[in-house]
Amino acid sequence: KAGVTQTPRYLIKTRGQQVTLSCSPISGHRSVSWYQQTPGQGLQFLFEYFSETQRNKGNFPGRFSGRQFSNSRSEMNVSTLELGDSALYLCASSPGTVNEKLFFGSGTQLSVL
Amino acid sequence: GESVGLHLPTLSVQEGDNSIINCAYSNSASDYFIWYKQESGKGPQFIIDIRSNMDKRQGQRVTVLLNKTVKHLSLQIAATQPGDSAVYFCAENRGGSYIPTFGRGTSLIVHP
Repeated sequence: KAGVTQTPRYLIKTRGQQVTLSCSPISGHRSVSWYQQTPGQGLQFLFEYFSETQRNKGNFPGRFSGRQFSNSRSEMNVSTLELGDSALYLCASSPGTVNEKLFFGSGTQLSVL
Repeated sequence: GESVGLHLPTLSVQEGDNSIINCAYSNSASDYFIWYKQESGKGPQFIIDIRSNMDKRQGQRVTVLLNKTVKHLSLQIAATQPGDSAVYFCAENRGGSYIPTFGRGTSLIVHP
């Protein structure tokens, strides 16, 4: 099976712009989660989608949003970028049941200038 | 607030030594625990997991120990190799949760 694929691998944006990141989960996985990783804060949970519905949400401002398509692919969007949004954004997929391990992509490294 | 934490941010060992990475958790309702390994430039990869009805689980060169009395989790790596150099995260699932909470990570450095 192909692993979790995230595109693009790197992004450079300027403050105030918006960005869309894409994630293709492992075939058959219905849950997609997004995490922000920074050196100072570790892995911070953004949100989780299951069967096209947001099932769980972390403590991030409304500038961070996401969606999931019928084929389980997911996108996340960050509007009005701030310097502090510079981070590695990781997507993870799982079958979507309780107590399942996550399978992570390699992430999108976002730099906001 | 409740969190999953690690005692040591960096652990340096010699190749061939055994490594032990520790993790403390605070929620007694957590019933599923996972260790992930993150190498530079990659996302975290699953290493081993353990459910709360067990206190030990072994994999290839790795062992996870769970002490529910003191809410402590450890990852033991036998005969550590340079390829084991990475950041290791513990994570806990709180009863019935779909989303794990991650610890801050421990950097393991293996010297040849």
